[in-house]
Amino acid sequence: RKEVEQDPGPFNVPEGATVAFNCTYSNSASQSFFWYRQDCRKEPKLLMSVYSSGNEDGRFTAQLNRASQYISLLIRDSKLSDSATYLCVVTNSGNTPLVFGKGTRLSVIA
Amino acid sequence: GAGVSQSPSNKVTEKGKDVELRCDPISGHTALYWYRQSLGQGLEFLIYFQGNSAPDKSGLPSDRFSAERTGGSVSTLTIQRTQQEDSAVYLCASSLLAGAGGELFFGEGSRLTVL
Repeated sequence: RKEVEQDPGPFNVPEGATVAFNCTYSNSASQSFFWYRQDCRKEPKLLMSVYSSGNEDGRFTAQLNRASQYISLLIRDSKLSDSATYLCVVTNSGNTPLVFGKGTRLSVIA
Repeated sequence: GAGVSQSPSNKVTEKGKDVELRCDPISGHTALYWYRQSLGQGLEFLIYFQGNSAPDKSGLPSDRFSAERTGGSVSTLTIQRTQQEDSAVYLCASSLLAGAGGELFFGEGSRLTVL
């Protein structure tokens, strides 16, 4: 089983739609969780961290379910500019590297 | 510049040649990472530096791959006797905090094509 798994998509949604992505991780010792965004042929950039209590940043909401070992990202009122690949990222405590999922591709259509 | 700088941005080489990829991290960032991304694939971890030492080099795919970091700053990833399967974008990232707490700042990558 891969350490971090995501539905690759693509998710094709109209502008204004709400879309949700899930990501599962296999290592129960994982401590920190993030969503990164990667535009086509660009480098990944941090979108948001994921906290145990869940957190919201504008139209984006991230949630963590430790019992089921999954992370979710909800995007409300989708914009054309949200089109990108969303990478789920997990790491353990200490000096361990971040493990990236393969990403979920989102296309928001006018 | 203020960001992570990588060079070359593009490299085309013949099978069997050696290549060197360079990464200049953000000033003051102690942690430096190398990942690679093949077409349509996720990021594959290669090696991680804390200062000049590499606590985790578990991701290096073979002994043809090596990396070093000097002065706690610039890092070089060397691939010897390149093979076609080495073709990928090699991404370098740095972070202020090592391990779990730090946001990674990525460079634009070095796109390697092995003919």
